[in-house]
Amino acid sequence: AQRVTQPEKLLSVFKGAPVELKCNYSYSGSPELFWYVQYSRQRLQLLLRHISRESIKGFTADLNKGETSFHLKKPFAQEEDSAMYYCALRSLGKLIFGQGTTLQVKP
Amino acid sequence: NAGVTQTPKFQVLKTGQSMTLQCAQDMNHNSMYWYRQDPGMGLRLIYYSASEGTTDKGEVPNGYNVSRLNKREFSLRLESAAPSQTSVYFCATGETGQKNIQYFGAGTRLSVL
Repeated sequence: AQRVTQPEKLLSVFKGAPVELKCNYSYSGSPELFWYVQYSRQRLQLLLRHISRESIKGFTADLNKGETSFHLKKPFAQEEDSAMYYCALRSLGKLIFGQGTTLQVKP
Repeated sequence: NAGVTQTPKFQVLKTGQSMTLQCAQDMNHNSMYWYRQDPGMGLRLIYYSASEGTTDKGEVPNGYNVSRLNKREFSLRLESAAPSQTSVYFCATGETGQKNIQYFGAGTRLSVL
C-alpha cells in the first residue's frame, strides 16, 4: 500500500542549526514526491518537488530510492522557517500526505 | 486572481445539523480535492474530482457528499454532522500533466458540538 511516514511530530532547533525533516514512503513504482509547507496563518503551499531538483528558501530534498526516503534538509535554520511541513507522494493523480512535522526554530 | 476560495472560514454546528462547504477556483484547473486536517493525522483526502462531471471517493468519504457544479466549483456537504467531523477542511485544485502541483484554499475550521 502507498504510504508516507513522517516520524517526528515536532522538531525543535536553534537558529543557525542544521535541519533535517524525515520522510519515508512506501510505493510500488517510480515515486513522485513533494514537500508542502504551511506557515502560521497562511495556506498550504508547495515548497519543492523531487523532479525539479531545486533549492527553495535554502531547503533541498534528495530522493533515495534504496532507503525509500525523501528527507528535507537545510544547513542553517532561520526563525522564519518555523512552520508545519508535509511530505506528499503522488499516486494515481492524488496526493498522499504524511502526518506532518512542526518545525520550531528558536532564537 | 483569487486562486482557491473557500467559504465559510469558520462554522459551528450542532450534532445532526447539515451544511455545505463551498470551494471556487479561478485557475482553470481540471482537478479539485477536499481534505480534512487533524492533529497527528496529516491531511486526508475526502473526495476528489478529476474533471467536471466526475467525483470519486478518497480515503475518508463516510459522512460526506460532494458536487462538482462546474469547472470552477466543488462543494462538500455534511448531511448530518457528527463531533468526529470537527476538523479543518481544505479545498485544493491541481494541474494535470508534468507539474502535478496542488494549490490550496485557506481552509474552513468546523466545530461540531
